[in-house]
Amino acid sequence: EAGVTQFPSHSVIEKGQTVTLRCDPISGHDNLYWYRRVMGKEIKFLLHFVKESKQDESGMPNNRFLAERTGGTYSTLKVQPAELEDSGVYFCASSPAGHIITDTQYFGPGTRLTVL
Amino acid sequence: AQSVTQLGSHVSVSEGALVLLRCNYSSSVPPYLFWYVQYPNQGLQLLLKYTSAATLVKGINGFEAEFKKSETSFHLTKPSAHMSDAAEYFCAVRSYSGGGADGLTFGKGTHLIIQP
Repeated sequence: EAGVTQFPSHSVIEKGQTVTLRCDPISGHDNLYWYRRVMGKEIKFLLHFVKESKQDESGMPNNRFLAERTGGTYSTLKVQPAELEDSGVYFCASSPAGHIITDTQYFGPGTRLTVL
Repeated sequence: AQSVTQLGSHVSVSEGALVLLRCNYSSSVPPYLFWYVQYPNQGLQLLLKYTSAATLVKGINGFEAEFKKSETSFHLTKPSAHMSDAAEYFCAVRSYSGGGADGLTFGKGTHLIIQP
């Protein structure tokens, strides 16, 4: 069974540009999460999808970030326009339908975003 | 609100020595606790989790952790370190706040260094 995949693995863009990150969860997983780790800081929750619906987006930093999950399969996270403070590693995780609080979240390898 | 504190950003032990990585949590409701490990260029992998069953939890690769409510701790241990244990370790907490399922709240991570 394939794990969570993320694309690209690295992205270097200039301030003001747009970047779109993609996450493909484990097949059949209804829950999809985005997290971000800024250098030197802890991994922080951004948002949670259940199928195609946003269940909790309380961690999204501002309206420059837009997440979508059309059809309840893969998800994209767009940053527009990117700022320097958006640099970091963006992780995606997925888990099956069930007891959300205790279920294991399976993480992808992350996308390292550098904004110059 | 919930939080996690991992004592020590770097822990160095000799091969064959005891590994002890400390984690303290703060949560106003009963917590569920997780330890994840990240090897270089890989995603986070679940080591073990506490979900209110046994307080001593055994995980993969010989790791275990004990939930101590009185100390609000969930320290990770392994009797004998191997070179392959060198990685970054994350403690995380999750609890049902009643307002929906939030994501995991992570500590800042601890780099485990194994000395030959």
